[in-house]
Amino acid sequence: SQQGEEDPQALSIQEGENATMNCSYKTSINNLQWYRQNSGRGLVHLILIRSNEREKHSGRLRVTLDTSKKSSSLLITASRAADTASYFCATWYSGGGADGLTFGKGTHLIIQP
Amino acid sequence: DTAVSQTPKYLVTQMGNDKSIKCEQNLGHDTMYWYKQDSKKFLKIMFSYNNKELIINETVPNRFSPKSPDKAHLNLHINSLELGDSAVYFCASTWTGGGNTIYFGEGSWLTVV
Repeated sequence: SQQGEEDPQALSIQEGENATMNCSYKTSINNLQWYRQNSGRGLVHLILIRSNEREKHSGRLRVTLDTSKKSSSLLITASRAADTASYFCATWYSGGGADGLTFGKGTHLIIQP
Repeated sequence: DTAVSQTPKYLVTQMGNDKSIKCEQNLGHDTMYWYKQDSKKFLKIMFSYNNKELIINETVPNRFSPKSPDKAHLNLHINSLELGDSAVYFCASTWTGGGNTIYFGEGSWLTVV
């Protein structure tokens, strides 16, 4: 079953603004990961935050994790046109067959020049 | 230099045909996956393969069969293709142990007409 759920489904902002995407998940986790998918391409890992971490930074990315609310957020600061992509949160899921990363439906981010 | 490579990138075929998608990873990973991404960008795991152990997601039709000649390759064979099989198929790999980052191929766009 689907583990993560991103919000909003689509987001359009002006270049230079900050973009915030949220993710909710259902079961307990060891870590939560965010991936980016450019149009017509595969998914690329952005950042991983462990369950005992509350916040993590990587360049213009900032991820927060609230395990009590089973939610995470991804903030992209000073957005650029090249940030236009779909962003997915993912958690490891065991059960119901193949073990592996389970993804949400993604947030489609459009950066207007 | 490509870490996870899959071929072909595009495949258009008629209903009822049998087709294969090949995948190779040069990362030394011991676990490989096939994911299916539908038209709404929802990613769903189909198979995981580790140390010759195949774990199948119970919702995958038995027309789909992964074949692994060695731990660097996991090919996907599909029999009697149906219209609903049209999707993007992603190969991915990681190290055993769970909780790790997954590396994706660029995807294979399958269109069944």
